[in-house]
Amino acid sequence: DGGITQSPKYLFRKEGQNVTLSCEQNLNHDAMYWYRQDPGQGLRLIYYSQIVNDFQKGDIAEGYSVSREKKESFPLTVTSAQKNPTAFYLCASRGTGDNQPQHFGDGTRLSIL
Amino acid sequence: AQSVAQPEDQVNVAEGNPLTVKCTYSVSGNPYLFWYVQYPNRGLQFLLKYITGDNLVKGSYGFEAEFNKSQTSFHLKKPSALVSDSALYFCAVRTYSGAGSYQLTFGKGTKLSVIP
Repeated sequence: DGGITQSPKYLFRKEGQNVTLSCEQNLNHDAMYWYRQDPGQGLRLIYYSQIVNDFQKGDIAEGYSVSREKKESFPLTVTSAQKNPTAFYLCASRGTGDNQPQHFGDGTRLSIL
Repeated sequence: AQSVAQPEDQVNVAEGNPLTVKCTYSVSGNPYLFWYVQYPNRGLQFLLKYITGDNLVKGSYGFEAEFNKSQTSFHLKKPSALVSDSALYFCAVRTYSGAGSYQLTFGKGTKLSVIP
């Protein structure tokens, strides 16, 4: 089945540690996105990539970094500079055309130890 | 600013009754509007979209939405609610983010509870 796989489902970070969240899709989509979800705040865009080897900052990029070396993969690193990383992180992808919906993975919940 | 608003944090409805989850938008030009549903500890699932054409859009699981340009609204509806419809619902609008690219801006979500 085609879809988006996020791993791990749960992740714990120690103070001063960088952690990387994985996002893989087999939908052959060019565009990929990372969102952060906090209770009562909806989804906020962290980074997005329209094509391989290119990505752009979203609304809350500070403390995060991404790479897009392969079409199917868009990993997100939460750096030690992100002082409040506890949240639910969602990855999404979209097919060609702005009228296409985004498809979401099942998320990674990150907590601080 | 381009945005969507979901004025109700929570909606309660009895099983079998019609349900409405409200969404209003603020964008320049013609809006592209979407509804998503999220179950606990899961990602968002696409329900339906309005791009152009008929103001009444039909989607998955018996949901529909009515686009109203004069009221800048895109309310989600279902004629008869099921307990399994209980979830978090998000409205989203396509917004321009510069350099020829568009993103989705999401509302804060409405928690729907269907009471048996």
